[in-house]
Amino acid sequence: LAKTTQPISMDSYEGQEVNITCSHNNIATNDYITWYQQFPSQGPRFIIQGYKTKVTNEVASLFIPADRKSSTLSLPRVSLSDTAVYYCLVGDMVYGGSQGNLIFGKGTKLSVKP
Amino acid sequence: ETGVTQSPTHLIKTRGQQVTLRCSSQSGHNTVSWYQQALGQGPQFIFQYYREEENGRGNFPPRFSGLQFPNYSSELNVNALELDDSALYLCASSLVTGGPQETQYFGPGTRLLVL
Repeated sequence: LAKTTQPISMDSYEGQEVNITCSHNNIATNDYITWYQQFPSQGPRFIIQGYKTKVTNEVASLFIPADRKSSTLSLPRVSLSDTAVYYCLVGDMVYGGSQGNLIFGKGTKLSVKP
Repeated sequence: ETGVTQSPTHLIKTRGQQVTLRCSSQSGHNTVSWYQQALGQGPQFIFQYYREEENGRGNFPPRFSGLQFPNYSSELNVNALELDDSALYLCASSLVTGGPQETQYFGPGTRLLVL
């Protein structure tokens, strides 16, 4: 089963770009990489998902090298409201493939300071 | 479009009791997954239901069981509650069509405290 490793915590200041890296050395061919954001006592909120290379949406970018053994979530110009726990998820969610392979990392607690 | 909802929001039970948690999936979604999140930890996958059948299970004992109904809503049942079952229980729904990985959208969770 693919397992993920992330930094436990990161500090940043408002307006900076934040990059959070996730290591997933045992990622399988069918696995996708998904990042979620979670505020205290709330459910995780989907941020971005990718399989390889680079994916960008209105809130973040996801960089995945060719070997797919790691990925980097990039948050441009963070604000105080971006203070949260960020989880890297690796798994095969296609029907018939999610046989307990959905594994969250322990998460990275991002603190954004003024 | 209605998001994922869960009930109740909070629950207190005593050891040995049974509990049922409920989840309504997002409109148009046909798959529901349940997760357990202990304080300070990441969510742990319990199981997933697709078309009313279990479609994958994490490392949880049989006293954790579930159901999915024809309207795609779901229940999580936990028998013989233990103190370690105290956690935030999260439900996530997605649309599975047999194609590429589908995004899971989470509900707000049910906070269960076992005394």
